[in-house]
Amino acid sequence: EVQLVESGGGLVQPGRSLRLSCAASGFTFDDYAMHWVRQAPGKGLEWVSGISWNSGSIGYADSVKGRFTISRDNAKNSLYLQMNSLRAEDTALYYCAKDYYDILTGYAAHWGQGTLVTVSS
Amino acid sequence: DIQLTQSPSFLSASVGDRVTITCRASQGISSYLAWYQQKPGKAPKLLIYAASTLQSGVPSRFSGSGSGTEFTLTISSLQPEDFATYYCQQLNSYPFTFGPGTKVDIK
Repeated sequence: EVQLVESGGGLVQPGRSLRLSCAASGFTFDDYAMHWVRQAPGKGLEWVSGISWNSGSIGYADSVKGRFTISRDNAKNSLYLQMNSLRAEDTALYYCAKDYYDILTGYAAHWGQGTLVTVSS
Repeated sequence: DIQLTQSPSFLSASVGDRVTITCRASQGISSYLAWYQQKPGKAPKLLIYAASTLQSGVPSRFSGSGSGTEFTLTISSLQPEDFATYYCQQLNSYPFTFGPGTKVDIK
């Protein structure tokens, strides 16, 4: 069974940094691209970033480009999101999602339950 | 960036109704479109990918159609478990934008 478990969320002050992690199990992690998608409280979904199986292809939303960095460690079956220069508008539930393929198609059939990031002073 | 609009933004319907949600892209995206269902407090669930391919395990009352800039999600006979918010997402180019969502509520 595919399992994706996010961690690392919490309360952080504006301008500070946070690193999210997603632990994957139940599938061959390095066979699939991965994504981060977020949802602000009471709002819609926003794709944040995606990374191909070998980190050779990476994409970001305009709203996080230059501030967030996605990475993965295939040996540890883990996906990461380094978030710097955090803003109040980054407050959201952050989901980790598994792509259908090794390349970044964007089709995500498996999602974690999310980790909440709150940016506030 | 490619923008997506959805209509309607809110829909009130009864069990057994046929429901259609439209998603329009600001430029052509071929068939690179997915539909998701999200219930309160839950992660999104993939319903349709590549505009018209039903995800494994999704009931056949759900169907998707369209290409280019206009797409539809149809629920042929609305069931109680279908009351949720539905999102389209374009996968043609980065960033993989989502539509604003359509909330389907009980009439």
